[in-house]
Amino acid sequence: EVQLVQSGAEVKKPGESLKISCKGSGYSFTSYWIGWVRQMPGKGLEWMGIIYPGDSDTRYSPSFQGQVTISADKSISTAYLQWSSLKASDTAMYYCARLQGIVATSPGDYWGQGTLVTVSS
Amino acid sequence: EIVMTQSPATLSVSPGERATLSCRASQSVSSNLAWYQQKPGQAPRLLIYGASTRATGIPARFSGSGSGTEFTLTISSLQSEDFAVYYCQQYNNWPIFTFGPGTKVDIK
Repeated sequence: EVQLVQSGAEVKKPGESLKISCKGSGYSFTSYWIGWVRQMPGKGLEWMGIIYPGDSDTRYSPSFQGQVTISADKSISTAYLQWSSLKASDTAMYYCARLQGIVATSPGDYWGQGTLVTVSS
Repeated sequence: EIVMTQSPATLSVSPGERATLSCRASQSVSSNLAWYQQKPGQAPRLLIYGASTRATGIPARFSGSGSGTEFTLTISSLQSEDFAVYYCQQYNNWPIFTFGPGTKVDIK
C-alpha cells in the first residue's frame, strides 16, 4: 500500500528555522516525483515545488523560490521542506504528494496527511 | 504562469441532484487537467486525471470532460459524502502545476 506519512504539527516563533518531513512507503521512492503544496488557513491549494528523489532534481514555483528549500534523503525514503527563517505568513497546512506517473507531468495521486505549521510570537 | 479559474465559487445542490463544476485555464493545458476533492480536515483526494479518467476507486457518478482551456466536472447524483471543495489543477506547464481557487459544493 502506497503511503506518505508527514511529521507532526509544529509551533514556531518568527525567525526560527524548521524542517518538516514526508516519508514514503509501499512503492519505489526514487522513481516518482514528490510535490509540496501549501494551504493557508481557510484558503486554497498552492503548488510550491517538486523533487525527484532519485537524483534530487528540484524545481520551485516562482512564488516559493528562495523562500523554502526542498530536499530528499533516498536512503530513508523521505522528502523534506525547510525554512531558514520563518515568518508569520508561513502559517499554513503543508501537504506532500506523490506524482502519479514516472514522468514529471502527472497529478498527485497519493497525499500525506498534512503538517500544520504555526508561526507566532 | 497559467492561471486557473473555477466557477461558481459556491454551488448549492440537493442530494440526488446533478452538479456541474467548471474550470478554465488562461492558456491551453491540453488534457493535463486533474480534479481533486477536499473535505474539511482532510488532504485532497485525486478524482479525475487526464481531464476525463477516473482515479482508482472513484465512483462512476464522477465524470470529467474538456480539453485545451475549458473543463467540466460532473457529479451525476450527489451523495451526502460528496459535499466538499473541488479543485482543478493543470499539470501541463511543468514544473508549475497551478490550482484553481476551488468550488465549494454545499447542501441546498
